[in-house]
Amino acid sequence: DSGVTQTPKHLITATGQRVTLRCSPRSGDLSVYWYQQSLDQGLQFLIQYYNGEERAKGNILERFSAQQFPDLHSELNLSSLELGDSALYFCASSRGGNQPQHFGDGTRLSIL
Amino acid sequence: ELKVEQNPLFLSMQEGKNYTIYCNYSTTSDRLYWYRQDPGKSLESLFVLLSNGAVKQEGRLMASLDTKARLSTLHITAAVHDLSATYFCAVAGGTSYGKLTFGQGTILTVHP
Repeated sequence: DSGVTQTPKHLITATGQRVTLRCSPRSGDLSVYWYQQSLDQGLQFLIQYYNGEERAKGNILERFSAQQFPDLHSELNLSSLELGDSALYFCASSRGGNQPQHFGDGTRLSIL
Repeated sequence: ELKVEQNPLFLSMQEGKNYTIYCNYSTTSDRLYWYRQDPGKSLESLFVLLSNGAVKQEGRLMASLDTKARLSTLHITAAVHDLSATYFCAVAGGTSYGKLTFGQGTILTVHP
């Protein structure tokens, strides 16, 4: 158990819909990262937050947004969903610096 | 843009044999991580390599880093079935210090 909690574990929805994925980092970790894992793109970095502020951005689509709240949990919002958004979405957290990122179990998103 | 390439992408080994997975990256970085992922599961941190010449060992796995060659290796000694998994290397840096760029992953299958 990495200590990073993601909910829900599975989401099935339709094209055009909007969903919210939630992540609670390990106790004491200020940094939260979001990744997308798919068969064709592999593991792709989406966005990082540190103590409530956006710190780094990857190839995150404009339809996607995220935030980190004062209690350090984070949410990833995906809107106007397309079939190609079907993937496993991971949240990771770390204490920063050189410490490894610890990954949650992921949310598997299926778009029908 | 930082690129990370692993080879081989698929590795079928017999129990008891040795093999090496290679991870090449395209731009200067002094932080490299190895992760393991079991099918449908999260990523587990294996090693953190922070300097040129760093070597870390855990059980039958040994990882090393050559920053001048931009190369890391993950050596498997006397493979056992429990090592069957997908192994990823990830490099920190590029345009954002906290961002990890992952290799494609090496799917390792160990046969009796």
